[in-house]
Amino acid sequence: EAEVAQSPRYKITEKSQAVAFWCDPISGHATLYWYRQILGQGPELLVQFQDESVVDDSQLPKDRFSAERLKGVDSTLKIQPAELGDSAMYLCASSFQSTGTQYFGPGTRLLVL
Amino acid sequence: AQTVTQSQPEMSVQEAETVTLSCTYDTSESNYYLFWYKQPPSRQMILVIRQEAYKQQNATENRFSVNFQKAAKSFSLKISDSQLGDTAMYFCASIQGAQKLVFGQGTRLTINP
Repeated sequence: EAEVAQSPRYKITEKSQAVAFWCDPISGHATLYWYRQILGQGPELLVQFQDESVVDDSQLPKDRFSAERLKGVDSTLKIQPAELGDSAMYLCASSFQSTGTQYFGPGTRLLVL
Repeated sequence: AQTVTQSQPEMSVQEAETVTLSCTYDTSESNYYLFWYKQPPSRQMILVIRQEAYKQQNATENRFSVNFQKAAKSFSLKISDSQLGDTAMYFCASIQGAQKLVFGQGTRLTINP
């Protein structure tokens, strides 16, 4: 069964450093999402792509976060510089269309020291 | 803005019992979708069940079923014959029109042997 792949699974970094997360969606899924999940809470959308275009990045802290999906397939989320408050789980999801069921990857757990 | 509310932060039942998780949502749309996702301690989010608002029939998936009360904007999840592997965080979520998927705060369900 096709799955969303993410790497790394865990990342420890010091504040002010740069970090990057990678996501490979299910083949054929045009819509890709990045979420941030604080422990004990539901995920919150950071950015949504339709193919290579950003559809929604209203909750993305653009002073330090960036996301790209250059060829409309895999995607990278970057944080520079990382802050203590960025410690969270970063989830990637994909769907065939924007109103379709979203399938989630295993996530990257980030700890900023 | 769309909202999803889960009023039960934690629940605990014995194995083989039936448990119902509550969810209410707010919408001004006529076309929307509702979901229950499960996030086990390993943290990967898994789709449990999906309901289209235009369908009157409640969705079922093996031991999982929903009680969709459209007028009351209620979408509860019933787990029958609960198993130890059902222990997880359960998130109710909705997507309305072209808007983003919004999650509730989650219910931590523990199945005791």
